[in-house]
Amino acid sequence: SQQGEEDPQALSIQEGENATMNCSYKTSINNLQWYRQNSGRGLVHLILIRSNEREKHSGRLRVTLDTSKKSSSLLITASRAADTASYFCATDSRDTGRRALTFGSGTRLQVQP
Amino acid sequence: DGGITQSPKYLFRKEGQNVTLSCEQNLNHDAMYWYRQDPGQGLRLIYYSQIVNDFQKGDIAEGYSVSREKKESFPLTVTSAQKNPTAFYLCASSIVREKLFFGSGTQLSVL
Repeated sequence: SQQGEEDPQALSIQEGENATMNCSYKTSINNLQWYRQNSGRGLVHLILIRSNEREKHSGRLRVTLDTSKKSSSLLITASRAADTASYFCATDSRDTGRRALTFGSGTRLQVQP
Repeated sequence: DGGITQSPKYLFRKEGQNVTLSCEQNLNHDAMYWYRQDPGQGLRLIYYSQIVNDFQKGDIAEGYSVSREKKESFPLTVTSAQKNPTAFYLCASSIVREKLFFGSGTQLSVL
């Protein structure tokens, strides 16, 4: 089952612009995480935001969480060509009792130099 | 150098054959996971293990089997019952309910 659904599926921007990706999910969560994947590689963890947090920053990354709307957004500011990758949200559900993350389908970001 | 290692990087399976994908971690994590990724798609959970000698099915466990005899190792066997095994397989480990550390993946193809 796909708990998280990212929007848009694909995004193309110019270097220096900001990129915003959104994630919607269905159940109550303990935390929500964002990951990055370069083509053909493993995923790399970016940020974890807990259910009692509303916003978190890490360098050029800003994540927001709205548990009432069951949604999150990832903002990458001042994008670089090296930010080109797929970005996934993943949720740790409180409802299912499953102690493993459920991933969304991802947003493919292309940053044009 | 701490991390999680998957091998081989590429694997080919003949019809009717079982193949085993290796996953080893030296991060001292209790939890380990196997995910499957199809082209242009997200990750789907196959199996996960929270502790040695225990594991649980994920969303797409049919045609796969695992074992967890050691904390460091969580091998995945793709059996002949899995009729569409071509995919990118990712192993991960974590402290329970915290961030995942992923291996570099194994691309499995059918001959």
